[in-house]
Amino acid sequence: RKEVEQDPGPFNVPEGATVAFNCTYSNSASQSFFWYRQDCRKEPKLLMSVYSSGNEDGRFTAQLNRASQYISLLIRDSKLSDSATYLCVVNWPGGYNKLIFGAGTRLAVHP
Amino acid sequence: GAVVSQHPSRVICKSGTSVKIECRSLDFQATTMFWYRQFPKKSLMLMATSNEGSKATYEQGVEKDKFLINHASLTLSTLTVTSAHPEDSSFYICSASGRDWSSDEQYFGPGTRLTVT
Repeated sequence: RKEVEQDPGPFNVPEGATVAFNCTYSNSASQSFFWYRQDCRKEPKLLMSVYSSGNEDGRFTAQLNRASQYISLLIRDSKLSDSATYLCVVNWPGGYNKLIFGAGTRLAVHP
Repeated sequence: GAVVSQHPSRVICKSGTSVKIECRSLDFQATTMFWYRQFPKKSLMLMATSNEGSKATYEQGVEKDKFLINHASLTLSTLTVTSAHPEDSSFYICSASGRDWSSDEQYFGPGTRLTVT
C-alpha cells in the first residue's frame, strides 16, 4: 500500500461546481495532515492544515477520519483560479517528522 | 512571513560537472531544511533532511556522495549535485521548518530546474 494515495484525476469541472478530493494514508501514527496546492512548474503552497474536528477556510473544507485513515478536501463554488494540482500531505513520525506527499489530484475548472 | 528563497531558479550544465543550489529562509530561522526532487507529473520525493550544524539524513536510495548537503547556518542550506548526469535533470525544491513551530508545516522555496546535457 502506498504511503499516501490520491485519485490522480484530472477532475474537469465548470465554474461554480463543487468538487471533492479524497486521500488515504497508511501510517496510523501520523499526526499532522495538510493539503497543498501546486501550480504547473511551481513549488507547492500550503492550502490548509487538516484537524480532527474538520476545518473550513472560505470555500475550502477539509475533513479527517483517523479510524479510516482518510482525508478529504471539498471546494465549493469553483473558480478558474482553483485549477491546479492538490497534494495530500501527511507527516511520517520519526526523527525529523518528514512529510510524505501524495501524487496529487489535478483539477481543471473551465468557464 | 515564512519566505524561502532558492537560487538559481534554473540551471543548465554539462554532464560531469557539479551544480550547487542554495536554499535560504529569509524571515525566520530554519532549524530543519528538506530537499526534494520532482519529476514531471510525479509527486515530490524527499531526498534528505538537514539540521543546522549536523549531517544530513538521506532517504533510502539517495546517494549521499552524489547529493552533498550542507546546512551551515539557521538560514542557509546548500545541495550540490556532483558529477551530474542527464538522469539528474529534475525539479529540485527545498523547504524549511522553523524553530519553535508547533506543527510540521513546511514552507517551500520556488524550486530549481536542473537540466543536464
